Amino acid sequence: DIVMTQTPLSLSVTPGQPASISCKSSQSLLHSDGKTYLYWYLQKPGQPPQLLIYEVSNRFSGVPDRFSGSGSGTDFTLKISRVEAEDVGVYYCMQSIQFSSFGQGTRLEIK
Amino acid sequence: EVQLVESGGGLVQPGGSLRLSCTASGFTFSSNWMSWVRQAPGKGLEWVASIKQDGNEKHCVDSVKGRFTISRDNAKNSLYLQMNSLRAEDTAVYYCARWDIWGQGTMVTVSS
Repeated sequence: DIVMTQTPLSLSVTPGQPASISCKSSQSLLHSDGKTYLYWYLQKPGQPPQLLIYEVSNRFSGVPDRFSGSGSGTDFTLKISRVEAEDVGVYYCMQSIQFSSFGQGTRLEIK
Repeated sequence: EVQLVESGGGLVQPGGSLRLSCTASGFTFSSNWMSWVRQAPGKGLEWVASIKQDGNEKHCVDSVKGRFTISRDNAKNSLYLQMNSLRAEDTAVYYCARWDIWGQGTMVTVSS
């Protein structure tokens, strides 16, 4: 089974400042089809998860360009260039190359 | 509008059964892998099961093997999760998902 490990588990960020979340997988997420099956989600309080980034670095429809994803193989990063109040919630990485599994989640709060 | 709507949750005693349903609309349901994900109160997301477009390939997390069965009816645009031998640790909100689309979830509580 592929284990996804996120760091940090919590973040407190001043509005307008950047934020970064790391996600490491226990096995490579690079598929033989050339795609890397790593996703990022944000779950706001009381809501289902919403997709932010798919296949490492592709922003989903409607996602602000302050969100960006990068990485390869087993190491991935989600960056928020300038945090806004609406970005509060829990961020999860997820792999879908071998069934599926999620990271533990990173809680982002505003200072 | 692209939408997933879950139903069938509720309170059940340990050892009991429930069948969750998820109805899809606004997209070609039969063309997509579909999944169930759960979230215990105050906890993170846990993948439960996934099923291929034609229903001939299924996978589930070890903790539910032999107890839960994922299935689908493409003619009804519906996804199902049959849950048997339920345990307290199965208490969670259960989401139906296509990875880019998620339902609002249905709550399952296993308690005597």
